[in-house]
Amino acid sequence: GAGVSQTPSNKVTEKGKYVELRCDPISGHTALYWYRQSLGQGPEFLIYFQGTGAADDSGLPNDRFFAVRPEGSVSTLKIQRTERGDSAVYLCASSLGLAADTQYFGPGTRLTVL
Amino acid sequence: KQEVTQIPAALSVPEGENLVLNCSFTDSAIYNLQWFRQDPGKGLTSLLLIQSSQREQTSGRLNASLDKSSGRSTLYIAASQPGDSATYLCAVRIIQGAQKLVFGQGTRLTINP
Repeated sequence: GAGVSQTPSNKVTEKGKYVELRCDPISGHTALYWYRQSLGQGPEFLIYFQGTGAADDSGLPNDRFFAVRPEGSVSTLKIQRTERGDSAVYLCASSLGLAADTQYFGPGTRLTVL
Repeated sequence: KQEVTQIPAALSVPEGENLVLNCSFTDSAIYNLQWFRQDPGKGLTSLLLIQSSQREQTSGRLNASLDKSSGRSTLYIAASQPGDSATYLCAVRIIQGAQKLVFGQGTRLTINP
């Protein structure tokens, strides 16, 4: 079946602009996660959804970052007033929802802020 | 705070060799540990997942072990091939803090033909 998909694959924007990154999880997966990966580093947790609600948003770096999942499937990560330091690969993952489950990752969106 | 460390940061070996990648974590309160592979410019592919009650998992030429009490895991790759070249990441799923994964920084593996 289809895996996790993310769009766009690449996004170049100017400092100060607003961007939206989209994630389509595997069908039937109730848990959805966003991570951010800087060059040469492992991914860092941003936010976790169980269904429509954000169960843990402790990894969001500041209030410029926001994520939604209104119908419990597709999620959008929103970044306001982008800064050069926001440049990274943003990864989305989904799982069936239990702690023991494997997280399946999408290909990521590479965000470049000029 | 859980910290995950992977050693070495990079490894280059000739084709056919067996090799071991190391992962250590500071807090043993984990649900499980997962090994991933990442190819350049790509997302993460799950290789093996070891639950906290398990000691090892095997898939083909890969074997992962877990010693929760000492905070260590190893990924053993047998008879390495050039196609194994990638970055290997380990991640622990922590008990405190919902279900997030805490990742190491990865080991960049190169298999030379």
